[in-house]
Amino acid sequence: QVQLQESGPGLVKPSETLSLTCTVSGDSISKSSYHWGWIRQPPGKGLEWIGHIYYSGSTNFNPSLKSRVSMSVDTSKNQFSLRLSSLTAADTALYFCARRSLSDFQWFDPWGQGTLVTVSS
Amino acid sequence: DIQMTQSPSSLSASVGDRVTITCRASQRIASYLNWYQQKPGKAPNLLIYAASTLQSGVPSRFSGSGSGTDFTLTISSLQPEDFATYYCQQSYNTVTFGGGTKVEIK
Repeated sequence: QVQLQESGPGLVKPSETLSLTCTVSGDSISKSSYHWGWIRQPPGKGLEWIGHIYYSGSTNFNPSLKSRVSMSVDTSKNQFSLRLSSLTAADTALYFCARRSLSDFQWFDPWGQGTLVTVSS
Repeated sequence: DIQMTQSPSSLSASVGDRVTITCRASQRIASYLNWYQQKPGKAPNLLIYAASTLQSGVPSRFSGSGSGTDFTLTISSLQPEDFATYYCQQSYNTVTFGGGTKVEIK
C-alpha cells in the first residue's frame, strides 16, 4: 500500500523560503508511471495545484506560482521536495503531496495527510 | 487557464436523498475530469476518474457523467459517511480544481 508523508516547519516568517519534503513508502518514486505533486489548501478554502515532478527531474508548475516554486527529487531516499520562496500570509495553507497517475486522465491518488504551514512573524 | 465552476457551493440533504453536483469547465475538456471527496481535516480521496470510472473501493452509489464542458457527480442514496466536500479536477491542460461543494446534513 502506497503511503505519502509530508514533513517540514509549521511556522515560517514572511519573505522567507518554505521547504517541504514528501517521503513515499510502498512504491518507488523512480517508477515511470507517475508524477509526484504538491497541492495546497488555505484554511476554509479550496484546493490549489502547485506543481509536480517526474523522477527524472522534469517539472510542471502552476503559472501563478511558477516564479516562486522549485521542486526536486531524491530517488535514493524515495523523497521529493517543494521550495516556495518570498512567502506572504497568503501562503498559509495545508500542504499536501500526492501521486499523480500518468495515464490519460492523470488523477491524484493517494495523498499524504497534509502539513499545516503558517506564515507569520 | 481552464476554470472549473462547481454548483451549488453547498447543499443540505437528508440520509437517503439523491444528490447531484455539477462541474462546468470554461472550455471543452473531453472526459479529463476527476472527482474527489474530502472530509474535515483529511486529505481528498479519489472517487471517480475519466468523468465516469469509479475508483476501486468506492461504493456504487457514487456515479459520474458528462463530457465536453458539463459534468455531474451523483450520489444515489446519501449515507451518513457521505457528508463531506466534493471537488472536481480537470487534467486536460495542466491541473485545475473546482471550488468545491459542501454536502451538509439537513
